Amino acid sequence: NAGVTQTPKFQVLKTGQSMTLQCAQDMNHEYMSWYRQDPGMGLRLIHYSVGAGITDQGEVPNGYNVSRSTTEDFPLRLLSAAPSQTSVYFCASSFQGYEQYFGPGTRLTVT
Amino acid sequence: GNSVTQMEGPVTLSEEAFLTINCTYTATGYPSLFWYVQYPGEGLQLLLKATKADDKGSNKGFEATYRKETTSFHLEKGSVQVSDSAVYFCALIHSGAGSYQLTFGKGTKLSVIP
Repeated sequence: NAGVTQTPKFQVLKTGQSMTLQCAQDMNHEYMSWYRQDPGMGLRLIHYSVGAGITDQGEVPNGYNVSRSTTEDFPLRLLSAAPSQTSVYFCASSFQGYEQYFGPGTRLTVT
Repeated sequence: GNSVTQMEGPVTLSEEAFLTINCTYTATGYPSLFWYVQYPGEGLQLLLKATKADDKGSNKGFEATYRKETTSFHLEKGSVQVSDSAVYFCALIHSGAGSYQLTFGKGTKLSVIP
């Protein structure tokens, strides 16, 4: 099993550009989520999904969109990037929500 | 709402020293508690967990006991190694309405020197 994979590993965007961060898992987990990690802030939940076709907002959803068309994939979209979205983004998945498995992260810089 | 407070770092220890990283939480009801570890350049890995009061989670020589009376989940290890250098996050899950949102502390960076 590859576990949770994320692409790209690094990305630089200009303000106003859009992009999609990819996340995939091969463990047939129903629950998937996106977090951002900022210095001194720990990790904060952006969006989560409890199954295909079902998504909901977390603590810091503004500026981000998600969709879940398959169990395996949970992409995170930035429609118009802003410098405040410079962060490290982690995707996670779990079978019943408790033991969450994290991907290696995407380091995003918005200039 | 839910919150997790853990001791600020960085913490620097000599190899074979005793480690304690304090963690306290605020939550209604009975959350599950976790310690995650993040090695440099990597994602988070679950280190240990406890799902009810007085449970002790343990893994790789690390231990933490769920203390409901003091709302604490302190991480301990009797003899740290250089390979334990990492950032440690305390976290809780309080499931409600089908969501399993992890609430994290801000992390404690541990450096172990030979």
